[in-house]
Amino acid sequence: QKEVEQDPGPLSVPEGAIVSLNCTYSNSAFQYFMWYRQYSRKGPELLMYTYSSGNKEDGRFTAQVDKSSKYISLFIRDSQPSDSATYLCATYNAGNMLTFGGGTRLMVKP
Amino acid sequence: DADVTQTPRNRITKTGKRIMLECSQTKGHDRMYWYRQDPGLGLRLIYYSFDVKDINKGEISDGYSVSRQAQAKFSLSLESAIPNQTALYFCATSEQTDNEQFFGPGTRLTVL
Repeated sequence: QKEVEQDPGPLSVPEGAIVSLNCTYSNSAFQYFMWYRQYSRKGPELLMYTYSSGNKEDGRFTAQVDKSSKYISLFIRDSQPSDSATYLCATYNAGNMLTFGGGTRLMVKP
Repeated sequence: DADVTQTPRNRITKTGKRIMLECSQTKGHDRMYWYRQDPGLGLRLIYYSFDVKDINKGEISDGYSVSRQAQAKFSLSLESAIPNQTALYFCATSEQTDNEQFFGPGTRLTVL
């Protein structure tokens, strides 16, 4: 079993829709949670970074962590075609390496 | 200018050949990493280095070797390439105390 699981998609939504991307993880020691966005033919880039349970908002993006259920979510409001990318969740505990999920491919259609 | 560069961007080679992928960074970071990405498997860590004299194996180091020539340069070698090493390879860097990683543009390697 992988330590971090993600539905690979693809997830196709119309422009303006609210998008929900999700990950589950198995190691309760994980403390830090990240979302990376990867455009086609590019390297991943950090989108959101959270520590502990709760919500963190940045513009149209909201990251949510529920440590009790080991569940990580990324919400995108008013989705745009420019949001079309692969979204990778990642997590780690202090002193250890990042563990990535497999990524979810998102397509936002005009 | 890109902060993390990788060469080559694309490479096709044959089984048994030795291949070197190179990574350079201008971010001044101490930590450098090599990952491979396969569809549905996300990024898997091959090797990482916390400074020039520190090299560590990652999750999938078999069949690979690395060299940290300087703070800014970290190379990945496939001594005898095999077809299941066909993948996207990414180099990344981070500051010593900050775990955000900055990725290069990737190298697409095909082993025939």
